[in-house]
Amino acid sequence: DIQMTQSPPSLSASLGDKVTITCQASQNINKYIAWYQQKPGKAPGLLIHYTSTLVSGIPSRFSGSGSGRDYSFSISNVESEDIASYYCLQYDNSPWTFGGGTKLELK
Amino acid sequence: EVQLVESGGGLVKPGASLKLSCVASGFTFSDYWMSWVRQTPGKTMEWIGDIKYDGSYTNYAPSLKNRFTISRDNAKSTLYLQMSNVRSEDTATYYCTPSTLAPFDYWGQGVMVTVSS
Repeated sequence: DIQMTQSPPSLSASLGDKVTITCQASQNINKYIAWYQQKPGKAPGLLIHYTSTLVSGIPSRFSGSGSGRDYSFSISNVESEDIASYYCLQYDNSPWTFGGGTKLELK
Repeated sequence: EVQLVESGGGLVKPGASLKLSCVASGFTFSDYWMSWVRQTPGKTMEWIGDIKYDGSYTNYAPSLKNRFTISRDNAKSTLYLQMSNVRSEDTATYYCTPSTLAPFDYWGQGVMVTVSS
């Protein structure tokens, strides 16, 4: 199985900050990584797939990049509605595997 | 609007069996692979497995393959997860999710399963 090491586990930010979350895969995943947002008490929602493709309707302050084993997800100009947990998913090799998650909180 | 409604969860004893259902609407169910994903109380996300759009192929996480079975009824737009010999570590919220334009691009509200004696 491909292991996805996501960091940091938690993140504290002020409104307007830029934050970055990283996921490192245990092997090359050929850009097949997606990012999900989960607000408290809600189901996850897809934000980005294939490293950097933004889902329709998702604000452009969300972005993704990376290649090989190393990937990042960023939120520029953090807004209060961005307070949530974020997860990466690799879908290059079955079994598909998630990162451990990052909880974004307001400073 | 895509809707996914899971049901069938609850409190079950270790060793028991349980069948979850997921009724889908708002998209052509029979055109897409469907997956089950679970989230533990500690918030760990785990892909359980998936099933091809016509039901002819299933794929599972190796650790769950012997106890969990995924099936579907395209005429009813319904996905199933048969869980057998459940254990305390199966306690989680279970989600069904299709991969239409991207992996796991829609999610239901989830159904909770608690395994306890």
